[in-house]
Formats: sequence, C-alpha cells, structure tokens
Amino acid sequence: AAGVIQSPRHLIKEKRETATLKCYPIPRHDTVYWYQQGPGQDPQFLISFYEKMQSDKGSIPDRFSAQQFSDYHSELNMSSLELGDSALYFCASSLVSGTSSTGELFFGEGSRLTVL
Amino acid sequence: KNEVEQSPQNLTAQEGEFITINCSYSVGISALHWLQQHPGGGIVSLFMLSSGKKKHGRLIATINIQEKHSSLHITASHPRDSAVYICAVSPRGAQKLVFGQGTRLTINP
Repeated sequence: AAGVIQSPRHLIKEKRETATLKCYPIPRHDTVYWYQQGPGQDPQFLISFYEKMQSDKGSIPDRFSAQQFSDYHSELNMSSLELGDSALYFCASSLVSGTSSTGELFFGEGSRLTVL
Repeated sequence: KNEVEQSPQNLTAQEGEFITINCSYSVGISALHWLQQHPGGGIVSLFMLSSGKKKHGRLIATINIQEKHSSLHITASHPRDSAVYICAVSPRGAQKLVFGQGTRLTINP
C-alpha cells in the first residue's frame, strides 16, 4: 500500500539559503500536517491543511510558508535559513472522519535538513 | 507545565517483561495517539484512542477520558520493541497533535 512520501530525504543548505520540502499524502487523504523535530527534541507542530486550505497553525516561523496543491501534495518553503532550522521535518496525512479532529495519522519517513 | 506528560522518560527492562508507559494530558481532546519512533527517526502510529481499550498483537492501549490518562502496555517484551514511544493528543477542534516528550524504551536480551 502507498505510504506518505517525503522528498528529499536529506538536504544540506547554507545559512540564508532557501529550502523546499515536499510531501505526497496517502491517496484520498484530505489532510496534511507538518512537524519539526530538532535534535533530541519532541516533534513540534508547524501547520496543517484540510482540503487545500490551512486548517491549523503552530509554531511556524514567518520565514516558513506552506501550501497544499490541487493534487493534495504539500510543500514547505523555508527561507533565510538559520542554523536552528536544522531538524527532521515530518509530514503526516489523514482522512478526517468520525469524532476525531485529526483521524488516524500516517507519517512519512521525514526530511532531514542540515543548515551549515 | 506541558499539556502532555509521559512517564517514565527512560525505561530499561529485560526481554519478556511486561512494560507500562503512562501519559497524562490537561486539555480536552478528540483523540489520543500512541506513536513509535525508531532510531532512524521514522514515526509509526500504533493506536488512536478516544475511549476504552485497543489491542494489537502484544500491544494494549487504554484511555480514561475522565481522568485524562492513558497507558500503553507491551506484553512479553522483545529487544525489537526498543524505541521511543510517544503519546500525542488531538486537542478538541484542532487539526494538530500535541506531543509528549517520549519514553525511551530499551529491552535487553
């Protein structure tokens, strides 16, 4: 069965550069979530999209932006990169149904960003 | 104080032991998730709970909504169960997860 696909898996950038991470959700899933996990840290919620509209926003810096496209894939754009942006970025997808506001989540393998 | 608290933070046990990891939360939720993260970083969803109890193989998860508490149990633990187990909640009405700090479990042969 198809899983959540993230690309690239690894990315190395210099300070002040720009990076774009992509997430392809499980087919027919309508919701995408982005999380950031710094070294030794808990994952932190960044942003979510439901049916191509932003549905919730967490601790996402103003230098970051994201969108969900008509094919439901999502991209996280990060500009003016800082050393502290080095982290594992997870995407998850779900089909929101029932009483849960998130549905059962399926995670991608993550994109590891290193800023030098 | 974190909205989601897990205990213990670290747990080492011998193969075959019965394992319990606890999670308490302070917000109203629509669901609670138990996740497993292996050293490579990948996260796997183990359970999504909104009430009662679920069982999958050697894993059992329970939740008490009134007490805002959940437990994850592993029976007949095995070294391959070694991982970080994360409790995360879906706050009511929000499309996000709030994560606990994780429990690092090591099962020795």
